[in-house]
Amino acid sequence: EDKVVQSPLSLVVHEGDTVTLNCSYEVTNFRSLLWYKQEKKAPTFLFMLTSSGIEKKSGRLSSILDKKELFSILNITATQTGDSAVYLCAVYTGGGNKLTFGTGTQLKVEL
Amino acid sequence: NAGVMQNPRHLVRRRGQEARLRCSPMKGHSHVYWYRQLPEEGLKFMVYLQKENIIDESGMPKERFSAEFPKEGPSILRIQQVVRGDSAAYFCASSGTSAAYNEQFFGPGTRLTVL
Repeated sequence: EDKVVQSPLSLVVHEGDTVTLNCSYEVTNFRSLLWYKQEKKAPTFLFMLTSSGIEKKSGRLSSILDKKELFSILNITATQTGDSAVYLCAVYTGGGNKLTFGTGTQLKVEL
Repeated sequence: NAGVMQNPRHLVRRRGQEARLRCSPMKGHSHVYWYRQLPEEGLKFMVYLQKENIIDESGMPKERFSAEFPKEGPSILRIQQVVRGDSAAYFCASSGTSAAYNEQFFGPGTRLTVL
C-alpha cells in the first residue's frame, strides 16, 4: 500500500524563525510530489517536484526532492503568523490520477 | 476566474438520511476528484471522474456511496443512509487535463455532520 509520512506532526515557532517540514514516501511507480497549504478552507497548491535535486522556490518557501532517499523537505524562512496552517504533502503514483496524502504538519507561528 | 465551488459548505444529516454534495470544477476543467478527510487524518482519495464517466473509484466504499459527473451541471457525491462514521470533510478537486502530474485545484470542502 502506498504510504506518505510527514514529520513533525505539529510545530510551534516564533516569527522570524526558519522551519523545515519533512515528507517521506513509500509508493509504487512514483511520478511526482506536491506540497499544499491548508488553512481552514481549500488546500492551496505550493509546489510540484518531479526531478531529484532541483529546488523549487517561491518567495520565502522552497522545496527539494530526493528520489534516491524517497523524501522531500519544505523550508520556510523568516516565518510570519500568516504561515500558520497545515502543510500537506502528496504523491502521484501509477497512472497519475490520484494523490496519496500524508496527514500533514500543523505549523503555528507565534509573535 | 472562479475556483472550484462546493456546496453546501456545511451539511447536517440524521442517521439514515441521504447526503448530496455538489462540486463545480474550475472553468474549463473536465476532470473531477473527490477526497474525504476524517478528523485527525489526511485526505483520502475516493473517486476520479471525467464528464459522464467514472475513471477510478478505487477509494469509494462499496456500499451507500456513489458519484456522478453529468454532461451538464456539477459533479455529485451521494451518500445514502448516512451513519455517524460518515462525518468528515469532503473535498472536491479539478484539473484541466488528464491530470497526470498536474496540480489539482481544491474547493473549500463540505463538512458533513451526521447526528
